[in-house]
Amino acid sequence: DAGVIQSPRHEVTEMGQEVTLRCKPISGHNSLFWYRQTMMRGLELLIYFNNNVPIDDSGMPEDRFSAKMPNASFSTLKIQPSEPRDSAVYFCASSDWGADTQYFGPGTRLTVL
Amino acid sequence: TQLLEQSPQFLSIQEGENLTVYCNSSSVFSSLQWYRQEPGEGPVLLVTVVTGGEVKKLKRLTFQFGDARKDSSLHITAAQPGDTGLYLCAGEEGGKLIFGQGTELSVKP
Repeated sequence: DAGVIQSPRHEVTEMGQEVTLRCKPISGHNSLFWYRQTMMRGLELLIYFNNNVPIDDSGMPEDRFSAKMPNASFSTLKIQPSEPRDSAVYFCASSDWGADTQYFGPGTRLTVL
Repeated sequence: TQLLEQSPQFLSIQEGENLTVYCNSSSVFSSLQWYRQEPGEGPVLLVTVVTGGEVKKLKRLTFQFGDARKDSSLHITAAQPGDTGLYLCAGEEGGKLIFGQGTELSVKP
Protein backbone atom coordinates (compact mmCIF):
# COMPACT_ATOMS: atom_id res chain seq x y z
CA ASP A 1 0.00 0.00 0.00
CA ALA A 2 1.35 3.43 -0.94
CA GLY A 3 -0.01 5.09 2.16
CA VAL A 4 -1.52 8.57 2.18
CA ILE A 5 -0.20 10.64 -0.70
CA GLN A 6 0.07 14.40 -0.56
CA SER A 7 1.14 16.90 -3.18
CA PRO A 8 3.01 19.07 -3.50
CA ARG A 9 5.58 18.33 -0.78
CA HIS A 10 6.73 21.93 -0.76
CA GLU A 11 4.97 25.08 -1.90
CA VAL A 12 6.32 28.60 -1.89
CA THR A 13 3.95 31.33 -2.94
CA GLU A 14 3.39 35.03 -2.54
CA MET A 15 0.78 36.65 -0.38
CA GLY A 16 -2.55 36.91 -2.15
CA GLN A 17 -2.07 33.88 -4.36
CA GLU A 18 -4.34 30.85 -4.36
CA VAL A 19 -2.88 27.63 -2.98
CA THR A 20 -4.31 24.15 -3.51
CA LEU A 21 -3.08 21.18 -1.52
CA ARG A 22 -3.98 17.67 -2.59
CA CYS A 23 -4.47 14.38 -0.79
CA LYS A 24 -5.11 10.79 -1.78
CA PRO A 25 -6.16 8.70 1.24
CA ILE A 26 -5.47 5.02 1.74
CA SER A 27 -7.83 2.96 -0.40
CA GLY A 28 -10.79 1.69 1.62
CA HIS A 29 -10.51 4.27 4.38
CA ASN A 30 -13.75 6.09 5.13
CA SER A 31 -12.48 9.11 7.07
CA LEU A 32 -10.12 11.86 5.96
CA PHE A 33 -8.60 14.60 8.07
CA TRP A 34 -6.74 17.83 7.28
CA TYR A 35 -4.34 19.14 9.94
CA ARG A 36 -2.02 22.13 10.20
CA GLN A 37 1.18 22.00 12.25
CA THR A 38 3.16 24.99 13.48
CA MET A 39 5.70 25.44 16.25
CA MET A 40 3.40 27.83 18.09
CA ARG A 41 0.11 25.93 17.88
CA GLY A 42 1.17 22.33 17.36
CA LEU A 43 -1.01 19.97 15.33
CA GLU A 44 -4.47 21.39 14.76
CA LEU A 45 -7.41 19.67 13.10
CA LEU A 46 -8.87 21.85 10.35
CA ILE A 47 -11.64 19.67 8.95
CA TYR A 48 -12.61 16.04 8.59
CA PHE A 49 -14.80 14.00 6.29
CA ASN A 50 -16.66 10.74 6.76
CA ASN A 51 -17.70 9.00 3.54
CA ASN A 52 -16.76 12.16 1.59
CA VAL A 53 -19.10 14.33 3.69
CA PRO A 54 -17.63 17.17 5.79
CA ILE A 55 -18.45 16.44 9.44
CA ASP A 56 -16.61 19.09 11.40
CA ASP A 57 -15.00 22.19 9.92
CA SER A 58 -14.81 24.14 13.17
CA GLY A 59 -11.03 24.20 12.92
CA MET A 60 -10.95 26.00 9.58
CA PRO A 61 -9.40 29.39 10.41
CA GLU A 62 -11.58 31.57 8.24
CA ASP A 63 -13.41 31.84 4.94
CA ARG A 64 -10.15 31.92 3.04
CA PHE A 65 -9.86 28.19 3.70
CA SER A 66 -12.04 25.61 1.95
CA ALA A 67 -11.86 21.84 1.57
CA LYS A 68 -13.56 19.41 -0.73
CA MET A 69 -13.74 15.66 -1.12
CA PRO A 70 -15.40 14.95 -4.47
CA ASN A 71 -14.82 11.19 -4.17
CA ALA A 72 -13.36 8.59 -1.85
CA SER A 73 -9.88 8.82 -3.31
CA PHE A 74 -9.23 12.55 -3.47
CA SER A 75 -9.44 15.68 -1.35
CA THR A 76 -8.23 19.25 -1.69
CA LEU A 77 -7.55 22.05 0.75
CA LYS A 78 -7.61 25.48 -0.83
CA ILE A 79 -6.43 28.79 0.58
CA GLN A 80 -7.52 31.91 -1.26
CA PRO A 81 -6.04 34.44 -0.82
CA SER A 82 -3.01 33.14 1.05
CA GLU A 83 -1.31 35.14 3.81
CA PRO A 84 2.13 34.82 5.47
CA ARG A 85 0.50 33.55 8.68
CA ASP A 86 -0.76 30.52 6.72
CA SER A 87 2.82 29.26 6.48
CA ALA A 88 2.88 25.83 8.12
CA VAL A 89 3.05 22.11 7.38
CA TYR A 90 -0.31 20.77 6.28
CA PHE A 91 -1.00 17.09 6.86
CA CYS A 92 -3.68 14.86 5.46
CA ALA A 93 -4.57 11.67 7.34
CA SER A 94 -7.03 8.87 6.78
CA SER A 95 -8.54 6.12 8.92
CA ASP A 96 -10.92 3.23 8.64
CA TRP A 97 -13.42 5.30 10.57
CA GLY A 98 -13.20 8.41 12.72
CA ALA A 99 -10.65 8.39 15.51
CA ASP A 100 -9.38 4.90 14.73
CA THR A 101 -5.69 4.68 13.93
CA GLN A 102 -4.91 7.61 11.67
CA TYR A 103 -2.36 7.26 8.91
CA PHE A 104 -0.66 10.50 8.04
CA GLY A 105 0.78 11.62 4.74
CA PRO A 106 4.25 13.19 4.54
CA GLY A 107 2.81 16.70 4.66
CA THR A 108 3.01 19.80 2.48
CA ARG A 109 5.32 22.53 3.73
CA LEU A 110 3.70 25.82 2.72
CA THR A 111 5.61 29.09 2.76
CA VAL A 112 3.73 32.28 1.98
CA LEU A 113 6.03 35.23 1.37
CA THR B 1 -12.98 21.18 23.01
CA GLN B 2 -10.93 19.32 25.56
CA LEU B 3 -7.27 20.22 25.93
CA LEU B 4 -4.28 17.94 26.37
CA GLU B 5 -1.15 19.27 28.02
CA GLN B 6 2.13 17.50 27.54
CA SER B 7 5.23 17.86 29.65
CA PRO B 8 8.02 18.43 29.30
CA GLN B 9 7.95 20.29 25.99
CA PHE B 10 11.63 19.60 25.34
CA LEU B 11 13.87 16.87 26.68
CA SER B 12 17.54 16.31 25.89
CA ILE B 13 19.18 13.27 27.43
CA GLN B 14 22.14 10.95 26.99
CA GLU B 15 21.89 7.50 25.51
CA GLY B 16 21.03 4.92 28.16
CA GLU B 17 19.01 7.24 30.38
CA ASN B 18 15.36 6.69 31.27
CA LEU B 19 12.64 9.28 30.73
CA THR B 20 8.93 9.85 31.22
CA VAL B 21 6.61 12.06 29.18
CA TYR B 22 3.26 13.12 30.61
CA CYS B 23 -0.05 13.91 28.95
CA ASN B 24 -2.73 15.50 31.14
CA SER B 25 -6.27 16.75 30.76
CA SER B 26 -9.04 17.93 33.06
CA SER B 27 -11.51 15.93 30.99
CA VAL B 28 -12.13 12.25 30.40
CA PHE B 29 -11.20 10.65 27.10
CA SER B 30 -12.68 7.42 25.78
CA SER B 31 -9.28 6.48 24.41
CA LEU B 32 -5.85 7.97 24.07
CA GLN B 33 -3.25 7.46 21.37
CA TRP B 34 0.49 8.10 21.32
CA TYR B 35 2.23 9.04 18.08
CA ARG B 36 5.87 9.60 17.17
CA GLN B 37 6.90 12.04 14.48
CA GLU B 38 10.30 12.28 12.82
CA PRO B 39 11.49 15.40 11.00
CA GLY B 40 9.94 15.79 7.56
CA GLU B 41 7.38 13.05 8.13
CA GLY B 42 3.87 12.65 9.45
CA PRO B 43 3.10 11.22 12.90
CA VAL B 44 3.01 7.42 13.22
CA LEU B 45 0.86 5.64 15.78
CA LEU B 46 2.71 3.87 18.59
CA VAL B 47 -0.14 2.67 20.78
CA THR B 48 -3.79 3.16 21.75
CA VAL B 49 -4.94 2.84 25.37
CA VAL B 50 -8.61 2.45 26.15
CA THR B 51 -9.16 1.15 29.67
CA GLY B 52 -8.46 3.19 32.81
CA GLY B 53 -5.31 1.86 34.48
CA GLU B 54 -4.21 0.07 31.33
CA VAL B 55 -0.50 -0.49 30.80
CA LYS B 56 0.94 -1.40 27.43
CA LYS B 57 4.54 -2.21 26.59
CA LEU B 58 6.25 -1.82 23.25
CA LYS B 59 9.83 -3.04 23.64
CA ARG B 60 11.51 -0.31 25.76
CA LEU B 61 8.41 1.91 25.75
CA THR B 62 5.76 1.62 28.48
CA PHE B 63 2.44 3.44 28.14
CA GLN B 64 -0.01 3.93 30.96
CA PHE B 65 -3.56 5.30 30.95
CA GLY B 66 -4.67 6.90 34.21
CA ASP B 67 -7.40 5.25 36.25
CA ALA B 68 -9.74 8.16 35.58
CA ARG B 69 -8.82 8.24 31.86
CA LYS B 70 -7.73 11.87 32.12
CA ASP B 71 -4.01 11.38 31.86
CA SER B 72 -1.37 9.15 30.35
CA SER B 73 2.35 8.65 30.49
CA LEU B 74 5.04 7.29 28.22
CA HIS B 75 8.17 5.86 29.82
CA ILE B 76 11.24 4.99 27.79
CA THR B 77 13.89 2.76 29.32
CA ALA B 78 17.52 3.02 28.21
CA ALA B 79 16.85 5.61 25.53
CA GLN B 80 18.69 5.31 22.23
CA PRO B 81 19.46 7.94 19.57
CA GLY B 82 16.84 6.27 17.38
CA ASP B 83 14.19 7.33 19.90
CA THR B 84 14.77 10.97 18.95
CA GLY B 85 11.62 12.64 17.68
CA LEU B 86 8.42 14.44 18.57
CA TYR B 87 6.06 12.45 20.78
CA LEU B 88 2.39 13.40 20.59
CA CYS B 89 -0.53 12.23 22.67
CA ALA B 90 -4.04 12.46 21.23
CA GLY B 91 -7.42 11.97 22.86
CA GLU B 92 -10.59 10.96 21.12
CA GLU B 93 -13.43 13.43 21.20
CA GLY B 94 -16.55 13.07 19.06
CA GLY B 95 -14.95 10.97 16.37
CA LYS B 96 -11.87 13.11 16.02
CA LEU B 97 -8.50 13.38 17.74
CA ILE B 98 -7.33 16.26 19.91
CA PHE B 99 -3.53 16.43 19.96
CA GLY B 100 -1.26 17.67 22.70
CA GLN B 101 1.52 20.13 21.87
CA GLY B 102 4.10 17.37 21.82
CA THR B 103 7.36 16.55 23.56
CA GLU B 104 10.51 17.04 21.52
CA LEU B 105 12.97 14.34 22.60
CA SER B 106 16.66 14.38 21.71
CA VAL B 107 18.84 11.42 22.70
CA LYS B 108 22.54 12.07 22.32
CA PRO B 109 25.00 9.23 21.78
